[in-house]
Amino acid sequence: DQQVKQNSPSLSVQEGRISILNCDYTNSMFDYFLWYKKYPAEGPTFLISISSIKDKNEDGRFTVFLNKSAKHLSLHIVPSQPGDSAVYFCAASVLQGAQKLVFGQGTRLTINP
Amino acid sequence: DVKVTQSSRYLVKRTGEKVFLECVQDMDHENMFWYRQDPGLGLRLIYFSYDVKMKEKGDIPEGYSVSREKKERFSLILESASTNQTSMYLCASSGGNEKLFFGSGTQLSVL
Repeated sequence: DQQVKQNSPSLSVQEGRISILNCDYTNSMFDYFLWYKKYPAEGPTFLISISSIKDKNEDGRFTVFLNKSAKHLSLHIVPSQPGDSAVYFCAASVLQGAQKLVFGQGTRLTINP
Repeated sequence: DVKVTQSSRYLVKRTGEKVFLECVQDMDHENMFWYRQDPGLGLRLIYFSYDVKMKEKGDIPEGYSVSREKKERFSLILESASTNQTSMYLCASSGGNEKLFFGSGTQLSVL
């Protein structure tokens, strides 16, 4: 049973536009959420996170939004750049600091020049 | 610069073989993890360790075991490899929060 779901396997966006990646979760006990980015032949790297006490966290071009009532989070990248082309994984944990993460299936983002 | 090193980038093994996947981190992290990545399933946690000689089962431990004799090294063992264990294996470490540092992965093919 997939507790963290990324329903879009792929997304294609024009350079300079906004990229929006979505993630849904089913476990209401999750209270800390993260996004990881993965390039081919490399391991995932941490991108941005958000605690359940917030509904938005921003870091430069990256913003994560959390809607707890809908059990939904999204990652916004604006403006999108060619170097953003990668696979993005959403992840969640039951307790901040618990470190045992549950990952989604991933979304492959392609930024077109 | 932080580094998690996995000993092999690609491995090809035969069904029934015993397989060792090695992972070393140079960050003095307490916590180490083994995940497998499969298309359509994302990353799934196999085993993790919070300290030397400590291990805990993740979500899919069946068919695997682990060893952590030293803080910097975490080994994943497939006692008798099967074709359904063909996958990308990712090792990670962390220093006490969810910011995991991953190795580059080992693509294992079991024939």
